[in-house]
Amino acid sequence: GIQVEQSPPDLILQEGANSTLRCNFSDSVNNLQWFHQNPWGQLINLFYIPSGTKQNGRLSATTVATERYSLLYISSSQTTDSGVYFCAVRGWRDDKIIFGKGTRLHILP
Amino acid sequence: SAVISQKPSRDICQRGTSLTIQCQVDSQVTMMFWYRQQPGQSLTLIATANQGSEATYESGFVIDKFPISRPNLTFSTLTVSNMSPEDSSIYLCSVQLRGSGTEAFFGQGTRLTVV
Repeated sequence: GIQVEQSPPDLILQEGANSTLRCNFSDSVNNLQWFHQNPWGQLINLFYIPSGTKQNGRLSATTVATERYSLLYISSSQTTDSGVYFCAVRGWRDDKIIFGKGTRLHILP
Repeated sequence: SAVISQKPSRDICQRGTSLTIQCQVDSQVTMMFWYRQQPGQSLTLIATANQGSEATYESGFVIDKFPISRPNLTFSTLTVSNMSPEDSSIYLCSVQLRGSGTEAFFGQGTRLTVV
């Protein structure tokens, strides 16, 4: 099946800093999503981005499908951005959505 | 998107007992899945819930331990049977919605602790 690798595994930043999270995947996909899991365990949909670039406020994402990677950018970090960010993909061969191991982000005040 | 209601939101259970988790969606659903998230880990797919037929289980998960029902398009249950402390996890229901392509949406999860 498809392999999903996220980097870095952990990231500690001061409030106001910018960050880039990366997701590499091993095969072509028809779905790529970024999620934020808050401290209560809820998964928040950030982006549905199988290709191209999207922006939503301080967050943006780019997926280069031909090179099999996606980037999530967080600008002007706030403490509420802390949590785990997951990349998840779905390949063309079945309906399953596979998750990477996540990037744990700590924003210090 | 849609409202995905998952019950209970949390529970503490005795080992050897079973817990049934419910997932109800207020929109038309094309696909429904159950995931497990062990402490500090990522999400692992347990099974695809198929309407009116047996669920499709992933490697490492069996029907006797995780029976799943999906009697209609918008409702499913996952039972965690004969629980042990190793079953302590967050269990999440995920759906794909008609008109939303392959985008996945998640319930708020059930945080299960087995003592």
